[in-house]
Amino acid sequence: EAGVTQSPTHLIKTRGQQATLRCSPISGHTSVYWYQQALGLGLQFLLWYDEGEERNRGNFPPRFSGRQFPNYSSELNVNALELEDSALYLCASSLAHFSGVGDTQYFGPGTRLTVL
Amino acid sequence: DQQVKQNSPSLSVQEGRISILNCDYTNSMFDYFLWYKKYPAEGPTFLISISSIKDKNEDGRFTVFLNKSAKHLSLHIVPSQPGDSAVYFCAASKNTGNQFYFGTGTSLTVIP
Repeated sequence: EAGVTQSPTHLIKTRGQQATLRCSPISGHTSVYWYQQALGLGLQFLLWYDEGEERNRGNFPPRFSGRQFPNYSSELNVNALELEDSALYLCASSLAHFSGVGDTQYFGPGTRLTVL
Repeated sequence: DQQVKQNSPSLSVQEGRISILNCDYTNSMFDYFLWYKKYPAEGPTFLISISSIKDKNEDGRFTVFLNKSAKHLSLHIVPSQPGDSAVYFCAASKNTGNQFYFGTGTSLTVIP
């Protein structure tokens, strides 16, 4: 079974540009999550999509946005890039939104975004 | 505000000995806890989890202990192997919002 895939592996942009990162979840998973891991920091929650809708977002400015497509894949868009946006962006997927029993998120390899 | 904390950035252990990684949290609403392992250039890999209704969960060489009163959990790896060398993240979630809160990670080095 294929895991979570992300593209591109690396992305280099300059300040003010826009970046688009893509994620394909594990087959059968409907929830997609985006995290940012900046240097020296833990994973910071960005966005959660389930069944095509944004369900929750972390403490990030509106220039971080995304969407989920009917096939449950997702893209993350970062507008007006700033130097501090340089980070590893990780996507994760899970079977369904949290039921209280506990659902595990499975991660992709990440996209390394560098803003020059 | 870091609601999940891993205060030890790094840990070195001899092969065959026990590795103990610690994690503290501040939010008493957290009811599900997980440990992930991350190798360089890879995404985090799920290792083991525990629900707040338990105080221990074991899976092979890996055991997670939860002390709710102290808001503390730990991951024990025994015996430690060189392949266990990685960064370990603990994570917590609560039964709303489906958001995982991650610690900053502990880099474990197992010395052969």
